[in-house]
Amino acid sequence: AQSVTQPDIHITVSEGASLELRCNYSYGATPYLFWYVQSPGQGLQLLLKYFSGDTLVQGIKGFEAEFKRSQSSFNLRKPSVHWSDAAEYFCAVGIGGYNKLIFGAGTRLAVHP
Amino acid sequence: NAGVMQNPRHLVRRRGQEARLRCSPMKGHSHVYWYRQLPEEGLKFMVYLQKENIIDESGMPKERFSAEFPKEGPSILRIQQVVRGDSAAYFCASSPEQSSTDTQYFGPGTRLTVL
Repeated sequence: AQSVTQPDIHITVSEGASLELRCNYSYGATPYLFWYVQSPGQGLQLLLKYFSGDTLVQGIKGFEAEFKRSQSSFNLRKPSVHWSDAAEYFCAVGIGGYNKLIFGAGTRLAVHP
Repeated sequence: NAGVMQNPRHLVRRRGQEARLRCSPMKGHSHVYWYRQLPEEGLKFMVYLQKENIIDESGMPKERFSAEFPKEGPSILRIQQVVRGDSAAYFCASSPEQSSTDTQYFGPGTRLTVL
């Protein structure tokens, strides 16, 4: 069965520090992978997506993610975190011809000044 | 170009009442997805609709839940005889086409509280 695992429920980093959020997926075919961010009480905003091609994907707000097929991973990174990055981050895999999204449970990021 | 709109943003119902959640997709989008987010959990797919058609309802509970996307007007997610376990945030997303490479754009959600 298809699934997405985000091993870290909560992460706390200091402002200016680097960040890596982990995501592992289970899907038999070529995955379409997404990272979304959700601020408190808000909807989801797409940060970046991977369909094919270059395995290092650039997104908005200075985020990037790397697809590693051998590890079934799609980790999200940012070199220097800003206080405004505090939010919940969701990794998702799109399945089927219409991209039904299977979400991970999310990682809540806190940023210390 | 307005984004995906959902209303109401907050809805309070007593057990046994009906809840109607509305979703207006982005202009030019004819595909709508509904997801449910239980407290402290990720989003779970419920249903995928095109205009006047339900394409995939594999995530919908078999009873009390229904969805429609009429030719005119918003998509409606209807929950009959609500129970406390229905309390959640319900998100709608839309995309322009049925394509595995299309991005889904999410609305702000409707937060349903069942007393």
